[in-house]
Amino acid sequence: GQSLEQPSEVTAVEGAIVQINCTYQTSGFYGLSWYQQHDGGAPTFLSYNALDGLEETGRFSSFLSRSDSYGYLLLQELQMKDSASYFCALHHNTDKLIFGTGTRLQVFP
Amino acid sequence: GEEVAQTPKHLVRGEGQKAKLYCAPIKGHSYVFWYQQVLKNEFKFLISFQNENVFDETGMPKERFSAKCLPNSPCSLEIQATKLEDSAVYFCASSSRQGEDTQYFGPGTRLTVL
Repeated sequence: GQSLEQPSEVTAVEGAIVQINCTYQTSGFYGLSWYQQHDGGAPTFLSYNALDGLEETGRFSSFLSRSDSYGYLLLQELQMKDSASYFCALHHNTDKLIFGTGTRLQVFP
Repeated sequence: GEEVAQTPKHLVRGEGQKAKLYCAPIKGHSYVFWYQQVLKNEFKFLISFQNENVFDETGMPKERFSAKCLPNSPCSLEIQATKLEDSAVYFCASSSRQGEDTQYFGPGTRLTVL
């Protein structure tokens, strides 16, 4: 089977940097994505790693290490609007997403 | 359209009643995915389509759930004889091609089974 574990909650202050980890167990996948979901909202795509290493997209960066079965999302210069839930998700070879347990990020002033 | 559209926004059904949810993917997108999210927690994949053809149905509880994507019509997800545990938000997502890194999600349909 496939499972992805994330910390349930992370807190930080505005302007800080926070890292959300994702560890997984799977027999195979194409890549690892990150999605943001505000309360009552739809998940929105943030970042994708097909290969090992770091991908940078503005204030957000994502990292993947297949040998360690591990990835993370790095959020820099935190803003209040970043308070949301963040999900890692594996891309199966049929393109279905296998989502992680989700991390609720709370940003304080 | 430029966004994935889902209707209705909210749906309330008594146990045993039928529920039908609709999804219009982004124009030009040929892949449609359905996910179930219970209590703001993990998403569960249900089924995907490539145009009108079922692509992956490994997540579907086949006894009561069915889905279709017909040409020139919104895709649909139908639950026969709903149960309390079907209460969830059902999200539809679309993508333009196989292997695309981004899936675009609709606003979801909140199903409450009483």
